[in-house]
Order: sequence, then structure tokens, then C-alpha cells
Amino acid sequence: SQQGEEDPQALSIQEGENATMNCSYKTSINNLQWYRQNSGRGLVHLILIRSNEREKHSGRLRVTLDTSKKSSSLLITASRAADTASYFCATDPSNDYKLSFGAGTTVTVRA
Amino acid sequence: DADVTQTPRNRITKTGKRIMLECSQTKGHDRMYWYRQDPGLGLRLIYYSFDVKDINKGEISDGYSVSRQAQAKFSLSLESAIPNQTALYFCATRGGSAGEQFFGPGTRLTVL
Repeated sequence: SQQGEEDPQALSIQEGENATMNCSYKTSINNLQWYRQNSGRGLVHLILIRSNEREKHSGRLRVTLDTSKKSSSLLITASRAADTASYFCATDPSNDYKLSFGAGTTVTVRA
Repeated sequence: DADVTQTPRNRITKTGKRIMLECSQTKGHDRMYWYRQDPGLGLRLIYYSFDVKDINKGEISDGYSVSRQAQAKFSLSLESAIPNQTALYFCATRGGSAGEQFFGPGTRLTVL
């Protein structure tokens, strides 16, 4: 069964706008990761946030983690057409080197 | 050159045929994984291996088998393919202390 669930399932925004997507999970985690997938291609790791961290930044990406609510959010600022992709959260429950992926959020950035 | 490669990239086969998907990596990672992706369901883990002598079932291993021929190679087999195994298959690797996984480009498998 999948650990994480992303919300919304799909998101359409104008270039330059911010995109926010959320991930909820069920069990305790060691870390949570976000990946991007361009259409039909392999997933690319974006950012990892550990259970003792609350916020992390990488370029135009900002990730937050609230372990009390078992949720995370990914914010993409100043979106570009190249950000059009599916975004997945993945939880690492106990550092046992297995990840559980959510179903993903499909983001479309309109020019 | 890509760090994680998969062959073939696309395959169409018929019900009952035996199929092997291959994965090779140059990252020197011990941990390797096979996932399948179906529309709307994200990625589901089929099998994983932590070294050549360590093979483990994932959440959907029925109908699949694997072989870890070397640290760098991890193959997935469908002994008798069926239509509901039509999916996108990904191989991934993971290093030691870092948590991220590195994915191959995927194999699109269609079983008629």
C-alpha cells in the first residue's frame, strides 16, 4: 500500500506563479523526499527533508515538514514552463532503504 | 553516459511469453530496486536487493522474479507475462548514508 498521498492530483498555473502541493502520510518516518518526473521518464530526486527538520530550501524549491500532522508541502516559486511535470513525495519509514511513493501531483505551467 | 541504464526501453509481447528486463548501474551502489508505475497509482516496489546475496520481495512481487548477477546488474523477469503486467518499469539504485534513489529511464512494457 502507498504511504503518501499528494494533493491536488493536478495543478495548472501561469508561468511566474507559485505552485504548492501537499503530501500526507500515515506512519512515522525517518525522512521524506520529493521527486520530479517528466512525461514517461525516470524520476529525478529534488530534495530530502529529515524528520527533525521543519523546512528546507533548494533553489526555487521550498519544502516543509510537519511530523505532528504527518504532512509535507512542496512550493515551487516563480514557475517556468520547464517545471511542467509530475511531482511525487516518497517516505522512508525507518531508514530501511525502502521508499513508499504517493500517486503524484501533475503540474502544468502555461506560458 | 547515464548512471543507471535499462534495456529494452520499449517492449511489446504476448500473453504467456517470458520477458527479462535488465538494469545496469555505474554508481557503485549496493542497493538496487525494481518498481512498476501504473497511471494514477505512483510507483510500487516489486523487488529490492541490498547486495548480490540479498534479494527481497516488495509489495507486488507475485508473477515476477529477479536476479542480481553482480553489484552493477539487477534483472527483472516475468516468467509468463499477462496483460495486467502492462506498465512502466523502473530500476533504481541507492547509495549508503544518503537517502535519495537514482532512477533509470524506464522500460515501457505492453503485454497483449
